[in-house]
Amino acid sequence: DAGVIQSPRHEVTEMGQEVTLRCKPISGHNSLFWYRQTMMRGLELLIYFNNNVPIDDSGMPEDRFSAKMPNASFSTLKIQPSEPRDSAVYFCASSLNGRGLSVNTEAFFGQGTRLTVV
Amino acid sequence: GNSVTQMEGPVTLSEEAFLTINCTYTATGYPSLFWYVQYPGEGLQLLLKATKADDKGSNKGFEATYRKETTSFHLEKGSVQVSDSAVYFCALKTGGYNKLIFGAGTRLAVHP
Repeated sequence: DAGVIQSPRHEVTEMGQEVTLRCKPISGHNSLFWYRQTMMRGLELLIYFNNNVPIDDSGMPEDRFSAKMPNASFSTLKIQPSEPRDSAVYFCASSLNGRGLSVNTEAFFGQGTRLTVV
Repeated sequence: GNSVTQMEGPVTLSEEAFLTINCTYTATGYPSLFWYVQYPGEGLQLLLKATKADDKGSNKGFEATYRKETTSFHLEKGSVQVSDSAVYFCALKTGGYNKLIFGAGTRLAVHP
């Protein structure tokens, strides 16, 4: 398997523009996580899904942020409108986990999307 | 709430020196504990883990023991290499969805 795939790797956009980050989890994994990494705040969990359903979005900073998982192999994180303080590295991670499962795996991370909002 | 506290960096060592990175946690229930490593420009990779008290996780010469009495999971390596230079994250997981709570990360720089 190619691992968790994120695109784009780098994104530079102007303030006010819409930004969409994409993630393809590892095939067969049923949990997906979006994290944001900054020097000031470290790694923050924004939202996570289980079986394509959002379980906890309490980490999403504002209404400008939204995330979707239309199917088991794809998720997006959208920022609209973007602001300079959104500049960060955004990571997607996936795992196989949940109550009642006999096999659980650790979380595997993508290489991240470095977002710069100017 | 659940939280992880790890020593601030950067930690700067010479090659072959002994490494300790401290990590303590606060959690309800019985968490699993992890160390992840992040090399420059890359995502996080699992380094080792322990799922219950007194378990020792080990990988690539790194070790950490789950100490419930001191709520700690300190990372150690007997002889570091330049290639170990990276940021190390301590994390805990509770509940059934593999939701990870990370510490702030500790940057390690190893010089020849």
